[in-house]
Amino acid sequence: NAGVTQTPKFRILKIGQSMTLQCTQDMNHNYMYWYRQDPGMGLKLIYYSVGAGITDKGEVPNGYNVSRSTTEDFPLRLELAAPSQTSVYFCASSYSGPTLPNEQFFGPGTRLTVL
Amino acid sequence: AQTVTQSQPEMSVQEAETVTLSCTYDTSESDYYLFWYKQPPSRQMILVIRQEAYKQQNATENRFSVNFQKAAKSFSLKISDSQLGDAAMYFCAYRSAIGQGAQKLVFGQGTRLTINP
Repeated sequence: NAGVTQTPKFRILKIGQSMTLQCTQDMNHNYMYWYRQDPGMGLKLIYYSVGAGITDKGEVPNGYNVSRSTTEDFPLRLELAAPSQTSVYFCASSYSGPTLPNEQFFGPGTRLTVL
Repeated sequence: AQTVTQSQPEMSVQEAETVTLSCTYDTSESDYYLFWYKQPPSRQMILVIRQEAYKQQNATENRFSVNFQKAAKSFSLKISDSQLGDAAMYFCAYRSAIGQGAQKLVFGQGTRLTINP
């Protein structure tokens, strides 16, 4: 049971390039999330998904896209990378069921630098 | 929208002593959850402790305990018998219990805790 895995661990992009951050969970969780953490700050929610085929915006969605075609995978797409997207990106998952409060499990993060 | 504020960017404590990290939050909801997460240099986010707002009793997990003051919207974390492995960034987080905000975490800015040997 690997939990939440993210690839890559590090990436440097040039301005205007695109990339996809991968996230996979093997806990059969229905909820998945993408957060970003800027230096010295807390995490902010980018997008989340309540199940396959259903996604919704979080606090800071501009410049990003997501899709959720399976329960396990929740990729985050950056189009036209900008320096403001330099950050550490965390994927998380949780199970929404009768047992509350449904702890979120986090991946190890992807450090992205846009130059 | 809910907000979470941690007013202490940095704290330090001697090994084996006790330290308290502060957190305040703003919400109009009556039912919610509060969390403390630890982020060591590895960047991994680790859940330390959680509190249900409907419970009056403060949560405890071994050396970690909280002081939850619902009326004051305050949620502080006390670490007893501090250990070198407790050194990390600590984040306070809020989550609604129902509605569209449910399941989404709102984080504070974090407090960097240093343990002095």
